[in-house]
Amino acid sequence: EAGVVQSPRYKIIEKKQPVAFWCNPISGHNTLYWYLQNLGQGPELLIRYENEEAVDDSQLPKDRFSAERLKGVDSTLKIQPAELGDSAVYLCASRGTSGTKQFFGPGTRLTVL
Amino acid sequence: DQQVKQNSPSLSVQEGRISILNCDYTNSMFDYFLWYKKYPAEGPTFLISISSIKDKNEDGRFTVFLNKSAKHLSLHIVPSQPGDSAVYFCAASAPGNTGKLIFGQGTTLQVKP
Repeated sequence: EAGVVQSPRYKIIEKKQPVAFWCNPISGHNTLYWYLQNLGQGPELLIRYENEEAVDDSQLPKDRFSAERLKGVDSTLKIQPAELGDSAVYLCASRGTSGTKQFFGPGTRLTVL
Repeated sequence: DQQVKQNSPSLSVQEGRISILNCDYTNSMFDYFLWYKKYPAEGPTFLISISSIKDKNEDGRFTVFLNKSAKHLSLHIVPSQPGDSAVYFCAASAPGNTGKLIFGQGTTLQVKP
C-alpha cells in the first residue's frame, strides 16, 4: 500500500513569492490534515478535511494561506505571499474511517529567503 | 498554552539499556495518546498508542505507560538499539471523533553503540 505522497520535497523561494504544496493521501482515507512543523517543535494542525469539506481551519492564517481538496482526494496548500517566518516543514497526513492513527507524508521543507 | 509537553529536548543512552521518554499533558479530556518516531527528512511514523482507559500498552520492545492522575505518560524502549535514534513525539487526541492530534515538542533520542 502506497503511503502519503507529498511534493515537492524541498522548495526555496524569495519572500513575497507564492508557493504551493501538493499531497496525495493513502487511498480510501477520507480525512486529510495539513500540519506545520517549525524547527524544534512538534507538528501543529493547520487544516483538517473530511472528504472535500474543510471542517477545522481555525489555525490556518487565512490572510495568506489557502487550501483546497476539490474532489476529496488530493489536496493543495498555498501561501501567497510567502514571508520569512513561513520557513518550516509542511506535513500532510491522512486517516481512515476508524481509529485515531494518522499516517504522515515525508513533508515539504520550505525555505523563504 | 502548550497542552502536551515533552520537557526533555534530548536523551542519550547506551545500546542495550532502557530509554525512557516522558510526556505531560494538561487536558484530562484527552482520550487517546500516541507516540510517533521521526527520522531526519522523513515524516513522523506511528509507533505505539494507548487509550485513556488503560494504563499500559506493550508492543515488542516498546511499552507506553499512562498515569492519568498525574497526567503523565512515558515510553519505554528495552533494549535500546542504535536504530532507535530519532526524534520521538508524544501526541494526544482531542475529545470527539475529530482525529485532531496535539503534539509535544519532541525528544531527540541518541542510542550509542
